[in-house]
Amino acid sequence: EDKVVQSPLSLVVHEGDTVTLNCSYEVTNFRSLLWYKQEKKAPTFLFMLTSSGIEKKSGRLSSILDKKELFSILNITATQTGDSAVYLCAVPGTSYGKLTFGQGTILTVHP
Amino acid sequence: GAGVSQTPSNKVTEKGKYVELRCDPISGHTALYWYRQSLGQGPEFLIYFQGTGAADDSGLPNDRFFAVRPEGSVSTLKIQRTERGDSAVYLCASSPSPPPSGANVLTFGAGSRLTVL
Repeated sequence: EDKVVQSPLSLVVHEGDTVTLNCSYEVTNFRSLLWYKQEKKAPTFLFMLTSSGIEKKSGRLSSILDKKELFSILNITATQTGDSAVYLCAVPGTSYGKLTFGQGTILTVHP
Repeated sequence: GAGVSQTPSNKVTEKGKYVELRCDPISGHTALYWYRQSLGQGPEFLIYFQGTGAADDSGLPNDRFFAVRPEGSVSTLKIQRTERGDSAVYLCASSPSPPPSGANVLTFGAGSRLTVL
């Protein structure tokens, strides 16, 4: 059974801080790892990672994958209150449509 | 439409009742997915459609849950004899198709929050 574990489960920081969110996974046949941001209800796509060591960047967010150690990290620099959300990590399984999600990290950024 | 649309946004029902939750995917998306998210947890896979057919329904918890997509667009998730444990947010997502690389970028709707009293 595929498994995704995220840490920490929650994190409280102040604006301007840098945060690192962790995601470890176990999957029978690795294809990719995805990060989503969930603010109200709808998770929105952030990154898809398929290769080790290649950093994906989007503004203040970046992510990297280590396929040997089976984990990924999501970094957010110079955090803003708008970054407050649940960050979800997921891997697709044997069936293309079946994503296994982690529990999520609740990030709270105070002004 | 511009995004994935789900109705109702909130549904309160009594134990034992039947409910239907509707999902209208992004126009042209052939793949449609249903997930369930309980409080404090990540989404859990329920079922995935490719066109009109259910390609994988291994996540449906029991035979009280059923989903259809008769014309390959709108989908309805049907729950019979609801139980309190069915209370959750039901998320629908769609994607253009499952690419050969296996990378799936799903676009999610805002969800339907179901509360069973």
